[in-house]
Amino acid sequence: EAGVAQSPRYKIIEKRQSVAFWCNPISGHATLYWYQQILGQGPKLLIQFQNNGVVDDSQLPKDRFSAERLKGVDSTLKIQPAKLEDSAVYLCASSPGSTRGGETQYFGPGTRLLVL
Amino acid sequence: QKEVEQDPGPLSVPEGAIVSLNCTYSNSAFQYFMWYRQYSRKGPELLMYTYSSGNKEDGRFTAQVDKSSKYISLFIRDSQPSDSATYLCAPETGANNLFFGTGTRLTVIP
Repeated sequence: EAGVAQSPRYKIIEKRQSVAFWCNPISGHATLYWYQQILGQGPKLLIQFQNNGVVDDSQLPKDRFSAERLKGVDSTLKIQPAKLEDSAVYLCASSPGSTRGGETQYFGPGTRLLVL
Repeated sequence: QKEVEQDPGPLSVPEGAIVSLNCTYSNSAFQYFMWYRQYSRKGPELLMYTYSSGNKEDGRFTAQVDKSSKYISLFIRDSQPSDSATYLCAPETGANNLFFGTGTRLTVIP
């Protein structure tokens, strides 16, 4: 079974530029998550999709971050404009989408973003 | 106050040692208590989880939750060099909304 795919793996940009990350979840997984992991910290949930609807985006800085999940499969996360504090690893995860808690989330390798 | 507090370590132990990793939390709504393991430059992977209070054992790993004191523990017996990783506690309320701790970086020395 193929895992969660993310691209690019690394990205270096200057502040005020824009950047986009792409995620392809495990086939058949209804729920998709984007996390931000700053160096030395645990992942922080940015947005959770159930199919192509948003379940939780309470921690997404909506003035600069946006995300979409086209046709309930692939997803893109965009930052525009980027700030220095956005330097982090952006992790995508997916899960089958059960309504019961305790569901395993499967993480991709992440995209490392450095904002100069 | 953060919802989940975890000692970031780092923790260095000799091979064969018993390791204790701990978290505390403040949100009484947490029902599922997950432990994820993250190797360097990889995404986290689920190690095991516990529902509500109690113990759960899986091979060399034991997870404990005490909801009365809001304390989460993971014990690793007979630690191996391959256990060297960052361990993240991640409770959730039942909506699959993980709240990760900062992670404890563990090194097992051969």
